[in-house]
Formats: sequence, C-alpha cells, structure tokens
Amino acid sequence: RKEVEQDPGPFNVPEGATVAFNCTYSNSASQSFFWYRQDCRKEPKLLMSVYSSGNEDGRFTAQLNRASQYISLLIRDSKLSDSATYLCVVGASGGSYIPTFGRGTSLIVHP
Amino acid sequence: DAMVIQNPRYQVTQFGKPVTLSCSQTLNHNVMYWYQQKSSQAPKLLFHYYDKDFNNEADTPDNFQSRRPNTSFCFLDIRSPGLGDAAMYLCATSIRGGMETQYFGPGTRLLVL
Repeated sequence: RKEVEQDPGPFNVPEGATVAFNCTYSNSASQSFFWYRQDCRKEPKLLMSVYSSGNEDGRFTAQLNRASQYISLLIRDSKLSDSATYLCVVGASGGSYIPTFGRGTSLIVHP
Repeated sequence: DAMVIQNPRYQVTQFGKPVTLSCSQTLNHNVMYWYQQKSSQAPKLLFHYYDKDFNNEADTPDNFQSRRPNTSFCFLDIRSPGLGDAAMYLCATSIRGGMETQYFGPGTRLLVL
C-alpha cells in the first residue's frame, strides 16, 4: 500500500460546482498534513495546512479524519482559475525531515 | 521578498555532459531538499540537508550528487545525464523539517538531447 494515495482524476467540473478530493495515508503516527496546489509546469505552492479541527479558507475547506486516516479538500463555487493539480502531503513523524507526497489530483473547471 | 531561487529555469544539456543546477534561499531555513518531478508524477525526493548533514535517498542514482556549501546555497550535480533524467528539478526549504510547510523554488526544467 502506498504511503499517501490520491485519485489522480481528472475531475472535470463546471464553474460554480462543488468538488471534493480525498487523500488516504498509511502512517498512523503522521502529525501534519497539507494541501499544495501545482499549476502546469510550475512549482507546488501551499494551499492550506490541515488541522485536527478542520479549517476553512474562503471557498476551500480541509478536514482530517484520523480514525480513517484520510484528509479531504472541498472546493465550493469552483472557478476556472482553480484548475490545477492538488497535491496531498503528509508531514513526517518520529523526527524524520521527510514529508510524503501523493501523486496529485487533477482538477479541470470548465465554463 | 524572501524566497527560494533556482537557476537556470531551463537547462539543455547533451547526453553524458555534466550539468549543475543551483538553488539559493533567503529564508534562512535549516532544511533544503532536491526533488525530481516527471510529468503527472509526484515530486520524488533525491536528497535533503539538515544544515550540513546530508541525507541521500536509498534509490537516488549515484549519477546525482549534491553540495551545500553554506546555509543559503545548494547545488545538484548530474554527472552523466541520460535521457531518463529529463525532468523538472525542484528545490525546497523548510524551517526544521518534514512536519512543516515547504517552500519551493520555481524549478529547473532539464532537457537532455
């Protein structure tokens, strides 16, 4: 089983739609969780950290489910500019400096 | 603005001709990472440094070497590039390690002819 798994998609949605991605992780000792956004041929950029209590930033909501070992990202009222790849990243544990990346979920928002 | 800078942004090299990619940071972060990313794949970690402590991933080919002469700079040397080494090379930093946000440079896209 891969350490961090994501559905690669693509998720093809119309403008204004609500879309959700999940990401599962295998290491139950993981302590930190992130969603990064990566545009085509660009570097990943932090979208949001994921806190135990869940967190929201405008149209974006991230949640953590420790019992089932997954994190989710919900995007409301999708915009064309949301089209990108969304990378799930699980922070290291046990003193390691190495975060683990999922392969990313591709989102295409169309008019 | 504080940032992670990579040079060059695009690098074309010939099969077998050594190439060096550079990364600098003004964030004064302890940890620096080098990733290789191919199309539609997750970034693959090649090396990381905590300060001057070098850590090589087990599956990083010997063809790849790295240097970190000081806190600000880190270099990736590819001694004999093959066609399979064509990829985006991303440098990233974090304050102390993998539990924290990483800051990525814009990447260097390597083409091997």
